[in-house]
Amino acid sequence: GESVGLHLPTLSVQEGDNSIINCAYSNSASDYFIWYKQESGKGPQFIIDIRSNMDKRQGQRVTVLLNKTVKHLSLQIAATQPGDSAVYFCAEIHQGGKLIFGQGTELSVKP
Amino acid sequence: DAGVTQSPTHLIKTRGQQVTLRCSPKSGHDTVSWYQQALGQGPQFIFQYYEEEERQRGNFPDRFSGHQFPNYSSELNVNALLLGDSALYLCASSPIGKPDTEAFFGQGTRLTVV
Repeated sequence: GESVGLHLPTLSVQEGDNSIINCAYSNSASDYFIWYKQESGKGPQFIIDIRSNMDKRQGQRVTVLLNKTVKHLSLQIAATQPGDSAVYFCAEIHQGGKLIFGQGTELSVKP
Repeated sequence: DAGVTQSPTHLIKTRGQQVTLRCSPKSGHDTVSWYQQALGQGPQFIFQYYEEEERQRGNFPDRFSGHQFPNYSSELNVNALLLGDSALYLCASSPIGKPDTEAFFGQGTRLTVV
């Protein structure tokens, strides 16, 4: 079926700590994934993407890991800051650009 | 570059009415997709427009229809509004010739049906 889900609905971390947000997907044929950040009252904002021919990709303070064997994605945020507080979605891109989103994880950063 | 712009930002309609939401894609983008995001949920794909035609459609009833204009802008129309149609409606655009790449989202239109 078409579903991308998240393990935890909420995550609270201390400022400066690292954050890890997890995501499971069900379609083993999926080959392109994106992490989006959505702040209150705004549309989703692209963070980082990864294709299935990779198992790790790094950006600025963010790393995405892909484990195709267990159909699992994770987003790691280093040195989490208050501005990182938002809802994070993983999304799977199907052919033609249709995005299948999970429910989201709300990240709360404590000062 | 203004990015993806949507109008209006907020809208209140009465059950049974019809609504039209508008979207202008990012410069250089020709593919427009619409998503519905209920409170506390991830966005759900409604449909996608490319070359002024609907190319893909999600599991939404025929009350949801759309249009794309020659300048790539798009409209989403919803007829016979239900209370359950209350949601944030998001428009996303993708680059010319690259519909399978990252989509850029607008700020959304918050629709409330009363």
